Amino acid sequence: EIVMTQSPATLSVSPGERATLSCRASQSVSSNLAWYQQKPGQAPRLLIYGASTRATGIPARFSGSGSGTEFTLTISSLQSEDFAVYYCQQYNNWYSFGQGTKLEIK
Amino acid sequence: EVQLVESGGGLVQPGGSLRLSCAASGFTFSSYAMHWVRQAPGKGLEYVSAISSDGGSTYYANSVKGRFTISRDNSKNTLYLQMGSLRAEDMAVYYCAARYCTSTSCTGYFDYWGQGTLVTVSS
Repeated sequence: EIVMTQSPATLSVSPGERATLSCRASQSVSSNLAWYQQKPGQAPRLLIYGASTRATGIPARFSGSGSGTEFTLTISSLQSEDFAVYYCQQYNNWYSFGQGTKLEIK
Repeated sequence: EVQLVESGGGLVQPGGSLRLSCAASGFTFSSYAMHWVRQAPGKGLEYVSAISSDGGSTYYANSVKGRFTISRDNSKNTLYLQMGSLRAEDMAVYYCAARYCTSTSCTGYFDYWGQGTLVTVSS
């Protein structure tokens, strides 16, 4: 099983600033990585797939990068609606999720 | 509008059974592989089970293998999860999720998610 590790567990950032979230895979997943956003009481929403491709309707301030075992989700200028929990998911070998990064208002 | 609506959750005793349903609308259900993903209270996401777009192939996480059965009815645009021998650690919100398939391959990420149904396992 591929283990996905996200860091940090909690990230405190002020609105308008940049947020950088990390995700590491225990073995290479190539570019078969997705990012999801989840707000309290809501289902996850697909943000990024293929490590760097934004899903339909996702604002350009969200960007993904990386390949192999190291990945990054960057939110360039945080809006109030961006404060949520973010999960990475690999789909190179079955499916597994990271434990999540909570992005909170500083 | 794409919708996935789960139902069937509730309170069940340890060792009991429950059947979850997920009704799909707004997209071509038969073109999507379907999954169940769960989230224990305050925890992260855990992949539970999957079924191919035509229902011919199924997959289970080791934690539920032999106790859960996934199925689908493409004529009714509905996904099911029959859960048996339930344990306290099965308590979670269960989401259905969809990933797109062509005639030759499927994506690996989940385009659509339902709002979830809560399963509580307690005596």
